[in-house]
Amino acid sequence: KNEVEQSPQNLTAQEGEFITINCSYSVGISALHWLQQHPGGGIVSLFMLSSGKKKHGRLIATINIQEKHSSLHITASHPRDSAVYICALQGAQKLVFGQGTRLTINP
Amino acid sequence: DAMVIQNPRYQVTQFGKPVTLSCSQTLNHNVMYWYQQKSSQAPKLLFHYYDKDFNNEADTPDNFQSRRPNTSFCFLDIRSPGLGDAAMYLCATSRVSGGGDTQYFGPGTRLTVL
Repeated sequence: KNEVEQSPQNLTAQEGEFITINCSYSVGISALHWLQQHPGGGIVSLFMLSSGKKKHGRLIATINIQEKHSSLHITASHPRDSAVYICALQGAQKLVFGQGTRLTINP
Repeated sequence: DAMVIQNPRYQVTQFGKPVTLSCSQTLNHNVMYWYQQKSSQAPKLLFHYYDKDFNNEADTPDNFQSRRPNTSFCFLDIRSPGLGDAAMYLCATSRVSGGGDTQYFGPGTRLTVL
């Protein structure tokens, strides 16, 4: 069993929809990262969470340490949000990556 | 302003011909990482430097080496590239390691092996 599981693996939605991507993990962590990767591109760090909730623009990330679960929400989604979203656990020395969620927002 | 810079963005090499990928950073971060990411897969950590202290992942092939001549620069050397080494190579930096610090990623170098 992977230490970190994301769902869904693929998500297609219409512009303007509210998007939720989930991340569940099975190990203790010091922090959890949400990352964004556009096709053929590098990775952008969106959030680093150790508790509670963070908001940046239309993006909101939450984490429940007791339940070992985090969610990334996108409000008023736009085609430029189309990318792979990756949940990564902060371990002692390195990040442990989820497999990613491929999000496609259609106009 | 670019903070983590990788050169080149695209690199083509021949089977068995050594290749060097470059990463530089303007953040003055202590830690630099090299990741390998194959198509539709999650990034895989190859190694990282904490200052000059080199940390190799146990499953990183011997074919992969790294150098960090100073704080700003880090190089990935692939001594004898095989077809299976074709991938995106990502460099990242952070202030500290193991403490839950944000990692800043470069744009990546896509390596093609002919």
